[in-house]
Amino acid sequence: DVKVTQSSRYLVKRTGEKVFLECVQDMDHENMFWYRQDPGLGLRLIYFSYDVKMKEKGDIPEGYSVSREKKERFSLILESASTNQTSMYLCASSSGTLVTDTQYFGPGTRLTVL
Amino acid sequence: GQQLNQSPQSMFIQEGEDVSMNCTSSSIFNTWLWYKQDPGEGPVLLIALYKAGELTSNGRLTAQFGITRKDSFLNISASIPSDVGIYFCAGDPKKLGGGADGLTFGKGTHLIIQP
Repeated sequence: DVKVTQSSRYLVKRTGEKVFLECVQDMDHENMFWYRQDPGLGLRLIYFSYDVKMKEKGDIPEGYSVSREKKERFSLILESASTNQTSMYLCASSSGTLVTDTQYFGPGTRLTVL
Repeated sequence: GQQLNQSPQSMFIQEGEDVSMNCTSSSIFNTWLWYKQDPGEGPVLLIALYKAGELTSNGRLTAQFGITRKDSFLNISASIPSDVGIYFCAGDPKKLGGGADGLTFGKGTHLIIQP
């Protein structure tokens, strides 16, 4: 079974802090994704990566950056957290070798910025 | 970006009832996926559909990939309390060898089962 883990289930940070959200997958997947989920807005793609050291902007990259130094790990960075970044953050991965891009999700990190 | 319209937004049903929800799009998708999300958890893949017209079942769940490639539905038969959660459809526009990209998600159907 695919396993995607996220470093924290809950985080509380203060405005202006630098925040790191870590995601690890154990299936040797090529592609990894970061989404945020907000009530009434569904899942919105922040960044994705299709290879080590490669990254692409999603629909809402402003205020975020990412790092993929190893294939299994994809980090989301909030350089200076703001209250409007309070949200549920979901990491996903996919094999990248199939016709389709079926994504498997981690359990999520609920971030609160005070 | 592409938009998926998922309906209904929420459903209040009695245990044992059948459930039906659907997603429509103005553009074509080559894959349709259905996920379920329990409170405080990440979405879990329920069913993946890869061909237009395909009908796939997973236990009490049945999903179909519309012939036009612009819609999909999910049915749940004889609902039980553990079916409570948010159901998301997702579409993938890529064709074979199209490379990585993010999926397009519907906004979810919140299923509530009344005792």
